Amino acid sequence: AQSVAQPEDQVNVAEGNPLTVKCTYSVSGNPYLFWYVQYPNRGLQFLLKYITGDNLVKGSYGFEAEFNKSQTSFHLKKPSALVSDSALYFCAVRPMDSNYQLIWGAGTKLIIKP
Amino acid sequence: DGGITQSPKYLFRKEGQNVTLSCEQNLNHDAMYWYRQDPGQGLRLIYYSQIVNDFQKGDIAEGYSVSREKKESFPLTVTSAQKNPTAFYLCASSIERLHNEQFFGPGTRLTVL
Repeated sequence: AQSVAQPEDQVNVAEGNPLTVKCTYSVSGNPYLFWYVQYPNRGLQFLLKYITGDNLVKGSYGFEAEFNKSQTSFHLKKPSALVSDSALYFCAVRPMDSNYQLIWGAGTKLIIKP
Repeated sequence: DGGITQSPKYLFRKEGQNVTLSCEQNLNHDAMYWYRQDPGQGLRLIYYSQIVNDFQKGDIAEGYSVSREKKESFPLTVTSAQKNPTAFYLCASSIERLHNEQFFGPGTRLTVL
């Protein structure tokens, strides 16, 4: 079965430190990869995506993600965390042969402490 | 402003009642989606539509129904057959390309009393 794993339910980082939110996937073929962020009681906002090309993708709010084909991972990163980055982060994957459905990770709660 | 609107923001339902959640978009997107979000879980797809007058069941369609009579609108009805409807419901839309991201509405929180 195709799946997306976000192995950490919660990640705690001090403000100003680098952060990483992990995502690994198990799908057939080469997928499209996405990161979304959700603030409390709000809809999801798109952060970035990987389609093809450079393995390092830059997105909104200073976030970037690194695609690693051999490890089937797409970790979200930011060099210097802000308290306002505290939110719920979702990784999603769409196989190239899909019917437009996304496969979602369970989400990782990111807490940035002042 | 272009975007997706959902109404109401909060909805309370008595057991045995059907309720309809509204989703409207003015982004001219072909595809629209309904998701359910429960605490500690990822999003689960209820229904999606790639074109007007056509829609497909997602992973958890039982107890839900939808219609797509207009490109802009994709209402979701939560029927009395849905045994555990209390959840946060999210509507999304996208351009019909596999690599395109989805745009989400603000969500409707449904509580069954």
